[in-house]
Amino acid sequence: SQQGEEDPQALSIQEGENATMNCSYKTSINNLQWYRQNSGRGLVHLILIRSNEREKHSGRLRVTLDTSKKSSSLLITASRAADTASYFCATDAGGGNKLTFGTGTQLKVEL
Amino acid sequence: DTEVTQTPKHLVMGMTNKKSLKCEQHMGHRAMYWYKQKAKKPPELMFVYSYEKLSINESVPSRFSPECPNSSLLNLHLHALQPEDSALYLCASSLGTAATYEQYFGPGTRLTVT
Repeated sequence: SQQGEEDPQALSIQEGENATMNCSYKTSINNLQWYRQNSGRGLVHLILIRSNEREKHSGRLRVTLDTSKKSSSLLITASRAADTASYFCATDAGGGNKLTFGTGTQLKVEL
Repeated sequence: DTEVTQTPKHLVMGMTNKKSLKCEQHMGHRAMYWYKQKAKKPPELMFVYSYEKLSINESVPSRFSPECPNSSLLNLHLHALQPEDSALYLCASSLGTAATYEQYFGPGTRLTVT
């Protein structure tokens, strides 16, 4: 399977803390994307990082990519209760316009 | 308009029923997708339409039949489903057909097969 693995599977933190989740994949990629999914809803695109990029920022989000280790991390700084959601990485490892999603990390931010 | 809409939001159907899921976008996107998502699992790709033509079928059983009537609409026709087909069905679209484009997702249709 091309599916990426994410860890941790679940993460619970206090509001204001930082949250880090990791994604590992198996084959070479051209780009990696991160998506957020609120409970039982559609996914929302957060950020895309290309294989020739090492780090990218968007607001409170910081994404890193290490193609030698086939891994990526998503850091959410100063978390808020509204960040409570599932986070998925997705790669083009399957080829073409096919996205393959990782197993996901369930983040809970408590007040 | 940066929205993908899906109808219905919820659907309960028997194993002998025929029903359809609908998806619509008005962003001028040329690729549209159907995903199936089981609880606490990632979305799994079912079909991809590029420029209104079916470009990817992930070996989906024939009881699921996709249709793209025009560049804004995507349907998923359901017939003789099994209880294990109960899931959240997500539609998505993207501007282009490469995986470098972000995908915009609809809110999904929660399907229960009884």
